[in-house]
Amino acid sequence: DAGVTQSPTHLIKTRGQQVTLRCSPKSGHDTVSWYQQALGQGPQFIFQYYEEEERQRGNFPDRFSGHQFPNYSSELNVNALLLGDSALYLCASSLRGRGNTEAFFGQGTRLTVV
Amino acid sequence: AQSVAQPEDQVNVAEGNPLTVKCTYSVSGNPYLFWYVQYPNRGLQFLLKYITGDNLVKGSYGFEAEFNKSQTSFHLKKPSALVSDSALYFCAVRDRRQLTGGGNKLTFGTGTQLKVEL
Repeated sequence: DAGVTQSPTHLIKTRGQQVTLRCSPKSGHDTVSWYQQALGQGPQFIFQYYEEEERQRGNFPDRFSGHQFPNYSSELNVNALLLGDSALYLCASSLRGRGNTEAFFGQGTRLTVV
Repeated sequence: AQSVAQPEDQVNVAEGNPLTVKCTYSVSGNPYLFWYVQYPNRGLQFLLKYITGDNLVKGSYGFEAEFNKSQTSFHLKKPSALVSDSALYFCAVRDRRQLTGGGNKLTFGTGTQLKVEL
């Protein structure tokens, strides 16, 4: 049973560019959340998707957008990249409405903006 | 709003000694509480959770945590530390009230680096 998979594992982009990160949830999970983890910080919630719609959003600008596909996989898009967007981006999958269950995390995508 | 505080950036302990990593939380409703561990350049691995019931919960790799509602704390413990336990530990909270709206986001602390030395 594959866990949460993310691609790519590493990425280098230039300021002003756009980037797309991808995530496949754990088998049987229908909800995908994205987190940003800056160096030396804890993960910060970006947004959450289920039933192909954004359901919750953290304190991130509109440059951060996402999508969920019918197979529950998800993309995170960041436009007009800033140096401050450099971070580890984590995808987590879970079951909708099952707050008493843990979220499973992927290994992350390390984004470096130069 | 929900928040988590991990007051120690780093905890050092000798192998074989007990360890404690501290966590306090703030939520409007009742909490679900979690501990995760992160090894260098990796994602987060689940250790244990408090949902309801017994205040002492046991998890993976010999870790346990004690929920204290009056002190709003959820400290991670292990009776005998191993060098291989050295990693970054995160406490996280989920407010049960948000589940009625369908969301289940986690709010994390800033993390505590655990260093176990021989």
